[in-house]
Formats: sequence, structure tokens, C-alpha cells
Amino acid sequence: SQTIHQWPATLVQPVGSPLSLECTVEGTSNPNLYWYRQAAGRGLQLLFYSVGIGQISSEVPQNLSASRPQDRQFILSSKKLLLSDSGFYLCAWGAGRVNTEAFFGQGTRLTVV
Amino acid sequence: GDSVTQMEGPVTLSEEAFLTINCTYTATGYPSLFWYVQYPGEGLQLLLKATKADDKGSNKGFEATYRKETTSFHLEKGSVQVSDSAVYFCALSDRIDDKIIFGKGTRLHILP
Repeated sequence: SQTIHQWPATLVQPVGSPLSLECTVEGTSNPNLYWYRQAAGRGLQLLFYSVGIGQISSEVPQNLSASRPQDRQFILSSKKLLLSDSGFYLCAWGAGRVNTEAFFGQGTRLTVV
Repeated sequence: GDSVTQMEGPVTLSEEAFLTINCTYTATGYPSLFWYVQYPGEGLQLLLKATKADDKGSNKGFEATYRKETTSFHLEKGSVQVSDSAVYFCALSDRIDDKIIFGKGTRLHILP
């Protein structure tokens, strides 16, 4: 069966520090991969999605970036965190056009101080 | 672009009450539609889905019907329980570019 792992579960980082959140999927190949951010009152915002290695689509211009160095690995990064980057970050995978729902990891609670 | 609009929360009901959470969408293509549920401190779980017009998705007593003519996918349950307290998200998957777009979520509180 397929599983998705996301870490760390919680993170407290100072303003201006770098960020790296990692997400890996097991039990499937060539998944679609997604990064979302959940902030109070703003629902679930799509940040990046990827349909293959090295293919990243950005939905929201900001100081975050994403990379997909391997088929089942998706990384969310920042060079310098802002206070406004605080939130709950969720990684998800989907099988693409055949079964189009997304399956989510447990999320990372990021607090920038 | 594609979007999902769902009713603002929080919604507070007594146990065994009837639940409706409204959801409407706009999409350039012919999307699949979903309801997800998020329990406190957890990620999102797929609750139900529908992939074509007039399909009814159902799970755990919840159901929603894909209404293409009104671009809606309202979530309903005949008798809610305290354990249904959670945040509910309506979402669509645009099969043109594989994006999955979510609404803002509706927080549901069920009182015993």
C-alpha cells in the first residue's frame, strides 16, 4: 500500500533562517506531488505541484521554493523565513488523471519567531 | 482560474441534527469533486468523491451529489454525531493540469 511521510512534525525557526521540509512517498511510482499551506482563515492554499522529476509549478509567488530531486521526494525550501511563513504545511500525493484525489501527510506545524 | 467556495463556519449543531455544508465551484474543464475531513491536529482524509455529473459520493453516513447544472457538491448527513466535529473541505481536481484546489474549509461543532 502507499504511504506518505512528512517531517518534521513541528518546527520553530527564527526569522531569516533557512527552511527545508521533506516529503517522501512509498508504494507508488511517478506520483503527482503537492505542497499546501494552511493558515487560519485562509483555508488550504496550493503552493507547488509537480507531475514529474524536475517539473515544478508554482501557484503563489513568495519566498518559498520546491524541488523534486527524485521521483517520490518533494522538498519545500526557503532561504530566509519571514514571520508570515508560519502555518501548517501539508504534503500530498496523487495518482494523476486515473484517480485524481490527493492523499495527505500528517503535516508540519511551522512557527517563525 | 478554478475555484471552490464553501459556506463560512463555524457551524454548530446538536447531536442527531441534519447537516448541510454548501459547496460550489468554477472550473474550466470537467473536474472531479471531493470532500475531505480534518480532525484536530491531523492531516486531511478523503471523505468522499464524485467524478462525473449526477454521481453521488458517500461514506460514513455523509453524501454529496455532483450537480453540473448548478456547479455544486453540497455535503449532507442525516444525523450527526459528536465524533463528526472537524473541519470539512470541498475540493476539485482539474483533470487538465492535475491541480487540486480546496475551499477555505468549514469548521463543524457537534454538541452532545
